[in-house]
Amino acid sequence: DAKTTQPNSMESNEEEPVHLPCNHSTISGTDYIHWYRQLPSQGPEYVIHGLTSNVNNRMASLAIAEDRKSSTLILHRATLRDAAVYYCILRGAFYNQGGKLIFGQGTELSVKP
Amino acid sequence: EAQVTQNPRYLITVTGKKLTVTCSQNMNHEYMSWYRQDPGLGLRQIYYSMNVEVTDKGDVPEGYKVSRKEKRNFPLILESPSPNQTSLYFCASHKAGARGAAQYFGPGTRLLVL
Repeated sequence: DAKTTQPNSMESNEEEPVHLPCNHSTISGTDYIHWYRQLPSQGPEYVIHGLTSNVNNRMASLAIAEDRKSSTLILHRATLRDAAVYYCILRGAFYNQGGKLIFGQGTELSVKP
Repeated sequence: EAQVTQNPRYLITVTGKKLTVTCSQNMNHEYMSWYRQDPGLGLRQIYYSMNVEVTDKGDVPEGYKVSRKEKRNFPLILESPSPNQTSLYFCASHKAGARGAAQYFGPGTRLLVL
């Protein structure tokens, strides 16, 4: 499985945009880019995913580089409830081990009031 | 409301005393998995199931059993728990057929084995 690299931690101010980067230089042409987050004392939560084009949903936006070797999760206005560990995960072409998600260390986002 | 539920949420037990952690989903998902989360090791898959009566080992299956007799339920069984199974456990489910399918996780079960 292709690996992802994320910064260990980031800080943001409340109500400001946050850009969370992820490098995945060994991504294959059929890998989807997924983002999950884990709030304190909760299970992981799906945020967004994409393949080639930028994607938007009610939670966030995903910007994917043209060469697909990196992506950025964008939270348009951070709130205190967005403080969490954010994981960037690649999903391959086949359901390896029932769709197993490989969680790295993620980026711990703290949001200051 | 679409959700994955787990019970119990917290459990303290002693070595060797059999226990079962239940997991149930109400989204008619085919795929279900169990993960454990440990500091410094992240989340690791224990077992998974692709449908009723279809289960297989994940990355760390030793000491665990599962069953899938109904589509909605996927219990995790520890026949003889040991202290190294002290961990935070998550059940997850998702729909088959799309690599983009979001996975839904339960709230977690924190287990302490003395």
